[in-house]
Amino acid sequence: EVQLVESGGGLVQPGRSLKLSCLASGFTFSNYGMNWIRQAPGKGLEWVASISSSSSYIYYADTVKGRFTISRDNAKNTLYLQMTSLRSEDTALYYCARERRGTGFDYWGQGVMVTVSS
Amino acid sequence: DIVLTQSPVLAVSLGQRATISCRASQSVSISSINLMHWYQQKPGQQPKLLIYRASNLASGIPARFSGSGSGTDFTLTIDPVQADDIAAYYCQQSRESPNTFGAGTKLELK
Repeated sequence: EVQLVESGGGLVQPGRSLKLSCLASGFTFSNYGMNWIRQAPGKGLEWVASISSSSSYIYYADTVKGRFTISRDNAKNTLYLQMTSLRSEDTALYYCARERRGTGFDYWGQGVMVTVSS
Repeated sequence: DIVLTQSPVLAVSLGQRATISCRASQSVSISSINLMHWYQQKPGQQPKLLIYRASNLASGIPARFSGSGSGTDFTLTIDPVQADDIAAYYCQQSRESPNTFGAGTKLELK
């Protein structure tokens, strides 16, 4: 069974940093591209970042470019999102999601909440 | 960026057909492959992939869900609508980065 379990969220002050993790199981992690997608309270879905299976290709949304860094450790079956210079508008539920090339995000984690507030 | 436009709300009666539309600001097709996907999200749950590449049913999704369209205009159809289908529905394109989602259509009971 495919499972994606996010962790590392919490309450953080504006300007501070936080690192999210997503532990994958039930599939060969190193064969898939992975993504972070967020959802602000009561709002829609916003794609944040993606990383290819071997980390060769990395993309970011303009809203987080230069502040967030996506990475992965295929030996540990883990996806990461390092978030720096956090802003109130980064407050959201952050999902990790698996992507099969050109076929959408077929598995999602339960999400981890990040709240940026003083 | 490719902007995806959805109607915010659709009211439907149980047993009837629901048609949810998504219009892209530019084509999301490459050589007849339509890189548009649909998701269902119920309150308090993560999104679930329903349809990929415009018309392909994802694994485990009931056949009352179907998708169609090409280029810039796409449709998700639910026929017949069941009580369990009351949720928000999002389209998403992967034609070019950044991936973008529509703002979502909330399916409500009439």
